Amino acid sequence: AQSVTQLGSHVSVSEGALVLLRCNYSSSVPPYLFWYVQYPNQGLQLLLKYTSAATLVKGINGFEAEFKKSETSFHLTKPSAHMSDAAEYFCAVSDNGGFKTIFGAGTRLFVKA
Amino acid sequence: GAVVSQHPSRVICKSGTSVKIECRSLDFQATTMFWYRQFPKQSLMLMATSNEGSKATYEQGVEKDKFLINHASLTLSTLTVTSAHPEDSSFYICSARDPGQGGHGYTFGSGTRLTVV
Repeated sequence: AQSVTQLGSHVSVSEGALVLLRCNYSSSVPPYLFWYVQYPNQGLQLLLKYTSAATLVKGINGFEAEFKKSETSFHLTKPSAHMSDAAEYFCAVSDNGGFKTIFGAGTRLFVKA
Repeated sequence: GAVVSQHPSRVICKSGTSVKIECRSLDFQATTMFWYRQFPKQSLMLMATSNEGSKATYEQGVEKDKFLINHASLTLSTLTVTSAHPEDSSFYICSARDPGQGGHGYTFGSGTRLTVV
């Protein structure tokens, strides 16, 4: 069975500050891991994904995430927050068949001017 | 990149009526599509896996007769909420496996906000 835990339902940062959204996973098989962003009343947009290649994954909009097997983590970071980054972020895991995707509860990112 | 079109984006219906939501893959063939439900300020919950040409696979606790899924072609899956009630009000999102991501990525529709009054 696979699961995802996102630590912190809400994260608030100042514009220009570091963004860190935490995600821990549980998987009995080598996982594929994803971060998605959702703006209000919209679908999900893929930010980045880990599929057993490089452990440091770079995505769109300046985001990146590092896969740490020893910590079962896949935290999302961005060096400098923009106002436009305010949204809901979901961490997700699937098995290496890539069939079912299990989503975390989501973290709402607030960016203060 | 791959695009999934979901329609309608918003629908308001009366209690007891049925509503159909369409999910189309615009520039690729999707043998498998997924339907999710999202309650306000919550995560996405997988409802069912839609397989082209065969019956959908429903997750535990999802009523098959309530949420009818049809995947009659490689580019279209539909979700019909039958005899809708206010508790069915939710945000419904479909997704399809994106072949451009080596089978390890999904493209999502823009979602459908269903309100049952």
